[in-house]
Amino acid sequence: ETGVTQSPTHLIKTRGQQVTLRCSSQSGHNTVSWYQQALGQGPQFIFQYYREEENGRGNFPPRFSGLQFPNYSSELNVNALELDDSALYLCAWTGTSSYEQYFGPGTRLTVT
Amino acid sequence: LAKTTQPISMDSYEGQEVNITCSHNNIATNDYITWYQQFPSQGPRFIIQGYKTKVTNEVASLFIPADRKSSTLSLPRVSLSDTAVYYCLVGTTYGQNFVFGPGTRLSVLP
Repeated sequence: ETGVTQSPTHLIKTRGQQVTLRCSSQSGHNTVSWYQQALGQGPQFIFQYYREEENGRGNFPPRFSGLQFPNYSSELNVNALELDDSALYLCAWTGTSSYEQYFGPGTRLTVT
Repeated sequence: LAKTTQPISMDSYEGQEVNITCSHNNIATNDYITWYQQFPSQGPRFIIQGYKTKVTNEVASLFIPADRKSSTLSLPRVSLSDTAVYYCLVGTTYGQNFVFGPGTRLSVLP
């Protein structure tokens, strides 16, 4: 058990719609990263937040945005969904004492 | 950004020791080496992390040579439940663009 939860577990959306995915962690984790994992591939880094500020971003367009809240939770928002956005979305938290990332179980997003 | 290279797949039998080697030729001075395990439709799970020499925990060992340009994850006496994808990452956490490669798909056979 990593103490990281994500909701919802599964989600089906239509192309052009918007989606919000949520992630929360036990206290003590102050950095959160989001990843996109397509079927059969490794996770791809989307962005990272530290103390509620974006702290690094991968090769993803601005329609992917995020928030981090003081209560050890975070959101990933994706606007104007495209078919290629269908993937498993993972969040990962890092504690203050190591570089280990604690991943959640993921949200499976299907865009039709 | 340090990129990693791992074998795409490996097969082993129950009870054997498995060694998976990862190459990371341009690892930076501050980078740590971390290995994760992932089962289908689940998030990656931390296995082990190290900076240099050898690290051992209850599930694995990590061997890092002096030049740190490669590392080897050693899984002793694997079982069927160790069938998974194993990822090697290098970097620190803060402000870094972590690059997951395709990983190594380990199949443990009875």
